[in-house]
Amino acid sequence: AQKVTQAQTEISVVEKEDVTLDCVYETRDTTYYLFWYKQPPSGELVFLIRRNSFDEQNEISGRYSWNFQKSTSSFNFTITASQVVDSAVYFCALSGYYGQNFVFGPGTRLSVLP
Amino acid sequence: DVKVTQSSRYLVKRTGEKVFLECVQDMDHENMFWYRQDPGLGLRLIYFSYDVKMKEKGDIPEGYSVSREKKERFSLILESASTNQTSMYLCASSQRPGRNATNEKLFFGSGTQLSVL
Repeated sequence: AQKVTQAQTEISVVEKEDVTLDCVYETRDTTYYLFWYKQPPSGELVFLIRRNSFDEQNEISGRYSWNFQKSTSSFNFTITASQVVDSAVYFCALSGYYGQNFVFGPGTRLSVLP
Repeated sequence: DVKVTQSSRYLVKRTGEKVFLECVQDMDHENMFWYRQDPGLGLRLIYFSYDVKMKEKGDIPEGYSVSREKKERFSLILESASTNQTSMYLCASSQRPGRNATNEKLFFGSGTQLSVL
């Protein structure tokens, strides 16, 4: 069975601090995809990134960066110089290679205080 | 833009009623999913379907069934609604990788808030 764990339920930081959201996954598949989604207070789920299991290269997109380590089954997400607009619930997710069995972690609620 | 439409935004039903939640997508996606979202529990997968008439149980299928008679439509059925099924239900779809897919991310509907009294 596939499983995603996000051990941090809630995190509070002050604006401009860096923050890392942890994600650990379990799967028996040899090929799979990992994702991060953001859910702001409006409720809509916003896609942030997809990673396939073949590609362990870390990725940076503006203030966002992702660290994928297959050896520890982790896919952590770092926000640099956080802003109030980053306040949201962040979900890590995992799917099979064909997009099936798409499961989410329980989410981490990030509050960025001014 | 991909559109995933859920038939109702809010729904109130009574215990024991049969409830149908409908979801339609307009992008010819193979994969469709039903989730429920509860505070502190995130999104939990109820059922998914990877083709017409094909379905697979997710993490919490008990008390639910699904139907996929047409590619664009995926229905979630609560045979006999109970109060512990009060939740936000989210439908999603995605394209299967390998068919000129530029990405395989999920596209979500706006959700149905179901209250069972």
